[in-house]
Amino acid sequence: RKEVEQDPGPFNVPEGATVAFNCTYSNSASQSFFWYRQDCRKEPKLLMSVYSSGNEDGRFTAQLNRASQYISLLIRDSKLSDSATYLCVVKLGSRDDKIIFGKGTRLHILP
Amino acid sequence: EPEVTQTPSHQVTQMGQEVILRCVPISNHLYFYWYRQILGQKVEFLVSFYNNEISEKSEIFDDQFSVERPDGSNFTLKIRSTKLEDSAMYFCASRDRGTYEQYFGPGTRLTVT
Repeated sequence: RKEVEQDPGPFNVPEGATVAFNCTYSNSASQSFFWYRQDCRKEPKLLMSVYSSGNEDGRFTAQLNRASQYISLLIRDSKLSDSATYLCVVKLGSRDDKIIFGKGTRLHILP
Repeated sequence: EPEVTQTPSHQVTQMGQEVILRCVPISNHLYFYWYRQILGQKVEFLVSFYNNEISEKSEIFDDQFSVERPDGSNFTLKIRSTKLEDSAMYFCASRDRGTYEQYFGPGTRLTVT
């Protein structure tokens, strides 16, 4: 089983719609979770950390379900500029410093 | 807003040559990382560095690779004898103490011919 799995997409979504992505992780000892976005041939940019209680940042909401080992990202009122690849990222336990990336989910917002 | 910088943006080298990729992490950050991304694939961890020593490395980071913090600002990745399969985007990242959020530089595209 892959360490971090995501649906590769692409998700083609009209502007203004709501879109949700899920991500599953295999290691139950994982401690920290993040969503990054990556534009074509650019660096990953931190979108938000994901907390156990769930968190929201403007149009973006992230949820963590530790029991089922999945993380979700919801984007409301999508904009053309939201078109990107969304990377689910997991950090293992406290002894591990590395973060593990999923392959990403591609999102295209259609005008 | 402070950011991680990397030079060069693109490096072309011949197989067997040595390359040094340079990074300037965010100034008050203490933890430094190198990642690579082969075209069309996921971002892969190479190495983490803290307190002037490697704290963790992946299987990819073999004896051909080394890292150094030669002064108070730069963080370098050296590949001693490049192979065709080293062609990739190399990203440097850094984070501050007290958070696991890592911030990435714009990357160096390495092309080995």
